[in-house]
Amino acid sequence: DVKVTQSSRYLVKRTGEKVFLECVQDMDHENMFWYRQDPGLGLRLIYFSYDVKMKEKGDIPEGYSVSREKKERFSLILESASTNQTSMYLCASSDTMDRDNGYTFGSGTRLTVV
Amino acid sequence: DAKTTQPPSMDCAEGRAANLPCNHSTISGNEYVYWYRQIHSQGPQYIIHGLKNNETNEMASLIITEDRKSSTLILPHATLRDTAVYYCIGRDSNYQLIWGAGTKLIIKP
Repeated sequence: DVKVTQSSRYLVKRTGEKVFLECVQDMDHENMFWYRQDPGLGLRLIYFSYDVKMKEKGDIPEGYSVSREKKERFSLILESASTNQTSMYLCASSDTMDRDNGYTFGSGTRLTVV
Repeated sequence: DAKTTQPPSMDCAEGRAANLPCNHSTISGNEYVYWYRQIHSQGPQYIIHGLKNNETNEMASLIITEDRKSSTLILPHATLRDTAVYYCIGRDSNYQLIWGAGTKLIIKP
């Protein structure tokens, strides 16, 4: 069964810490995405990548960076975590060759910044 | 951009068909309509997508009106496990999915 795996289900970090959220997919997909989901705001795109070492800003990139050194792995980095980054973070992937088909999402990482 | 409108919530009796409506009057002629659902505390799950013709898979059926201004997702025999938020989605000009608030579907025994 194809999968997108996020490294942590729950995470608690302190304000100012550097936080790494890892995402791995086993489908050989070109595209990978990071979203955050907050009550009343839906899913908002932070960054996405359409190839190794390539990245594009989404709707809310401020305070975040990403890294895609290998095709299967897409990391989201919070350089200095703040309380307003407390959220559910969702990683997804999709196949460029089949771009009209769906995204596959991970189970999410619920990050709390205290 | 294909903005969609859905009712915020719906109830359905277990075993009955759940019909979830979506309006997408701004969708362009070559844009697909996508449906995802999100069960509590999990990531969204792809259900189905369509362009013009009605579609069916093992999870659901998608009925798209001839003018493509609206569609209906049908879960033919709803179970308690189908309780979730259902999203009807289009894409923006950068080919990214546009997520709205979705419909919270509650299946009642």
